[in-house]
This record gives sequence, C-alpha cells and structure tokens, in this order.
Amino acid sequence: EAQVTQNPRYLITVTGKKLTVTCSQNMNHEYMSWYRQDPGLGLRQIYYSMNVEVTDKGDVPEGYKVSRKEKRNFPLILESPSPNQTSLYFCASRGRTSLYNEQFFGPGTRLTVL
Amino acid sequence: KNQVEQSPQSLIILEGKNCTLQCNYTVSPFSNLRWYKQDTGRGPVSLTIMTFSENTKSNGRYTATLDADTKQSSLHITASQLSDSASYICVVRLPFNDYKLSFGAGTTVTVRA
Repeated sequence: EAQVTQNPRYLITVTGKKLTVTCSQNMNHEYMSWYRQDPGLGLRQIYYSMNVEVTDKGDVPEGYKVSRKEKRNFPLILESPSPNQTSLYFCASRGRTSLYNEQFFGPGTRLTVL
Repeated sequence: KNQVEQSPQSLIILEGKNCTLQCNYTVSPFSNLRWYKQDTGRGPVSLTIMTFSENTKSNGRYTATLDADTKQSSLHITASQLSDSASYICVVRLPFNDYKLSFGAGTTVTVRA
C-alpha cells in the first residue's frame, strides 16, 4: 500500500531534550516536506527536500533540522525543543514536478513539549 | 497576511443537507488550487484539483468551483453524510516554485443525525 508513515504518533517531552520524528514513504517520491499545524493558522511548511541531500527552509524553520540521506526517509529533528513547538506535525511527499501530482500526507505526530 | 482565507471557520449541518464552503485567495496567477479533506487525527487527503483555467470539478458529492475574476473558490457538499464531518482545507500552489503551497486555515464541518 502506497503510504507515508510517521513515528511516533504521539510524543510528550520536556524542554531541551533532543528528539527525532521519523518519516518514510514507499512511493519513490522525490519531494518530501514537513509541516506543522496549529489551530487557526493552517498548515505551515517547516522544511522541504527536492531529492537526496537537497533540502531547503520553508516558512517556519527556526528550531528544526532535517536530513535526506535516503530517498525514502526524511526525519525531523528538534535539537532543543521548546513549548512553542507543541503542535501537530505532518510529513508529506510528492512525485517529480507535475501540475497534478498530488501531495500525500502522513498520519501526523502530535508533540507536546512541557 | 495569509494568502488563502477560508470561511466560515466552522459550521454544523443536519445529515442530508447541502453546504458550501468558501475560499478567498490573493495569489494570482497560481498553478493549481486543491481542496483537501482532513478527518480528525489524520493527514489531509485531496478531494479536487483545479488549474487556473478550470472553473468546476466534481468528486462524488463534492463539487469545487473557481472564479478567477473574483479570486474565490467554493466547495459544495451535496446530501451530507455523517462521514463528511471533517476539516476542509483550501490550498493554492504558488507559481514558479515547485514546492510552495499556501494553505487556508480550514473549515470544520460537523454533520449531525
């Protein structure tokens, strides 16, 4: 089944404790992206990757890191989480540029930073 | 200011009734405009997509329209079902950038029996 998977689905942590949220897709997509979703604000892009070893900042990259060492994986790293990073996070992937190529979203990771 | 504004923020309708959701955007031109459905606790799933030159697209009981002159799109849900309870998000793909999307904040629809 074609899908984007994220782990963990739920995470409660404390300020300053490094964490990684994994993302994996099995559709051989070139493009992958991380979003955070907050009430009233909609989805905002954190980072995106156009291919292996190619990443770029989105609209809200502060406090986050990413890496793309393999095509299928795109982990999101919070080196020193803070309470304002409490949010719902989505990973997404899409095939190479095409007008209609759909972006597929993962199931989401709900992160709480105390 | 967000480039995509949706209204209403939420609405409640009775099962079997119709409803229309609005999306106003400032991005022009754009590559395409999508409507996504997001069930509680899950990732968004694409419902419809329209290019700049299209003005209507249907997917079952969902019909999206686009008016490029007024920069408005609407999503019409016909004969609502309980399973239509979800958040509906309008997304505009920006021109000249492969991976820039502008998201609306969404409209939460609750269908009651």
